[in-house]
Formats: sequence, C-alpha cells, structure tokens
Amino acid sequence: GDSVTQMEGPVTLSEEAFLTINCTYTATGYPSLFWYVQYPGEGLQLLLKATKADDKGSNKGFEATYRKETTSFHLEKGSVQVSDSAVYFCALTTNAGGTSYGKLTFGQGTILTVHP
Amino acid sequence: DTGVSQDPRHKITKRGQNVTFRCDPISEHNRLYWYRQTLGQGPEFLTYFQNEAQLEKSRLLSDRFSAERPKGSFSTLEIQRTEQGDSAMYLCASSLALGISYNEQFFGPGTRLTVL
Repeated sequence: GDSVTQMEGPVTLSEEAFLTINCTYTATGYPSLFWYVQYPGEGLQLLLKATKADDKGSNKGFEATYRKETTSFHLEKGSVQVSDSAVYFCALTTNAGGTSYGKLTFGQGTILTVHP
Repeated sequence: DTGVSQDPRHKITKRGQNVTFRCDPISEHNRLYWYRQTLGQGPEFLTYFQNEAQLEKSRLLSDRFSAERPKGSFSTLEIQRTEQGDSAMYLCASSLALGISYNEQFFGPGTRLTVL
C-alpha cells in the first residue's frame, strides 16, 4: 500500500536558518504530493502541492520538488521565522486503478521549533 | 468564514459508552472525509463519502464505528462501546471533486476524544 516517511524530529532552528525536512514515499498509481502544516491550536492547512514529476510547489517561502527518480518531496525554506514553528506533514494521494483521487496518506509529522 | 466545522471540539467519555461526532463541510463540497490522528502521528484515513454514498472504508474502521451522510451535507461518526484505544483526534475534511483530478481537502479543527 501507499506510505510516506518523514525525517525523524523534532527540528529546532534559530531564526533565519535554512530548513530541510525530508520526505520519501511509496505509492501505487501516480501520486500527487503535498505538505500540510498544523500551527498550534489550529487545523491542518495545505502549504503546497505538486501533481507531477519535476513540479515544484511553493508557498510562503517554502518549496518542495517532486522527484520521481528518488521518490522524494523534501520541504525547504531558506530563512525560517519564529512564526514558522508548527508541525509539518508530508502526504500523498493517488488515482490507482484509474479511480479518482481521494484519501490522503500522511507521514508521521515533523515538529519544527524556531527560536529568536 | 464558512469553513469545515466539527462538534463537539472535545469529548470525554467512559469506556463502554457510545459517542457521536458531527461534521459540517463547506457548503458546496460533495466529498467528505474522516481521519483519526493519535498523538505524535499523522492523520489516518477512516472513510469518505461522495454526496451521500460511502465510497471507501479503511480496515481501521471496525464494526464499532459507523459513519453516515444522510442528505449529502453534514456527516456523523459514531463509536459504540468505546475503548481506551479510541482516544484520538477525529478530523473531518471536505473537497469539491470534479472528474478524476485532485481537489484540495479542507480540514476542520477536529474533535478530541478521551476515553477514561
């Protein structure tokens, strides 16, 4: 079945540091890939997505590139802020068997804490 | 703001009791999803509806769990004879599915269930 593996956390950085959170996946069918973010006390929000190989998703300074050859979708940001402190989830959905895209399969999440 | 809403936000119950949660999706969305999230893990898919039809159920959805979406609008998730292992955050999401392409799922704030 489908699965998503994220790097072990938590991650603690100083403000303006470079961020990488690794994500690899296995999937049947052709997956679309996502990063979701969960800020303290809030619900899950879509951060960015990529629907085909070599696509780059970007939002709020975050980027991730769909790498089919390495089955990866690593999240990066060049300069993190305190307000980026949150839990980040990598996720995928597929249209295996020609059915329409439906359920999301999530990784376990990575807690990011950014200090001033 | 007419996002996805869930009720109640918190529920504490004793083992063996039945509980019911409600989800109101974004009004024009035809798909509704239920996920379960335990501490330190990513959300896990439980089931989803397209309009009033329940199209897929996870093996996580034991016989004690039942979900309905009677008129294709709000949905309920009932857990009978609750067990301590049912303690989790129950998330609802909705989307507008057109054809087979992926459409963003919007998540509600969740219902946190604690079984004593």
